[in-house]
Amino acid sequence: QSALTQPASVSGSPGQSITISCTGTSSDVGAYKYVSWYQQHPGTAPKLIIFDVNNRASGVSSRFSGSKSGNTASLTISGLQAEDEATYYCISYVTANTRMFGGGTKLTVL
Amino acid sequence: QVHLVESGGGVVQPGGSLRLSCAASGFTFSNYGMHWVRQAPGKGLEWVALIWFDGRDRGYADSVKDRFTISRDNSKNILSLQMNSLRAEDTAIYYCAREDWNNGRNPDYWGQGTLVTVSS
Repeated sequence: QSALTQPASVSGSPGQSITISCTGTSSDVGAYKYVSWYQQHPGTAPKLIIFDVNNRASGVSSRFSGSKSGNTASLTISGLQAEDEATYYCISYVTANTRMFGGGTKLTVL
Repeated sequence: QVHLVESGGGVVQPGGSLRLSCAASGFTFSNYGMHWVRQAPGKGLEWVALIWFDGRDRGYADSVKDRFTISRDNSKNILSLQMNSLRAEDTAIYYCAREDWNNGRNPDYWGQGTLVTVSS
């Protein structure tokens, strides 16, 4: 069990759009629609923002969107705001009894 | 309102044991699968274990298999994690989290975590 692959860091200026990738294999990300994304600010618990590849969790801004192509899922944040600066994690269903996280991507808003 | 409160963390020597608990409220606990997820200091999230809503099945990460046991008491709304043969690399904040199939097959709500430190 090795982690899904995410870039360690991304950055963007306020108002811009960024995309974070999450690459797995045909046995996890590529096999199921059950990919979720979390936002974590320092010292706090993760917060669900996207589930089932492209569904926004309740109360999450429409600036957040998700997609998937093959073995790679992606999170896009449009209209970057200072409050979006955080670390983002993907997770994939692997089997009925196992899950796997990505290594996390630190987003810096310049 | 979903509320998850972890407890039981602390400092333990290598090779020792610790039992974590997670008290759930604000939802019908017996209807939901539950997860434990950990985060080592300054590191990313690592999925640890899950248990089905009725406790009939469970799964573990390879890194904790045969050392950790996840369990639940649906009559008391309590999720537990028994951790044996602890190693330095088990040092982390441990979060319990709910899985609601209406929000995907992954955790949706999380507790605030409890810190486990394995050190001599």
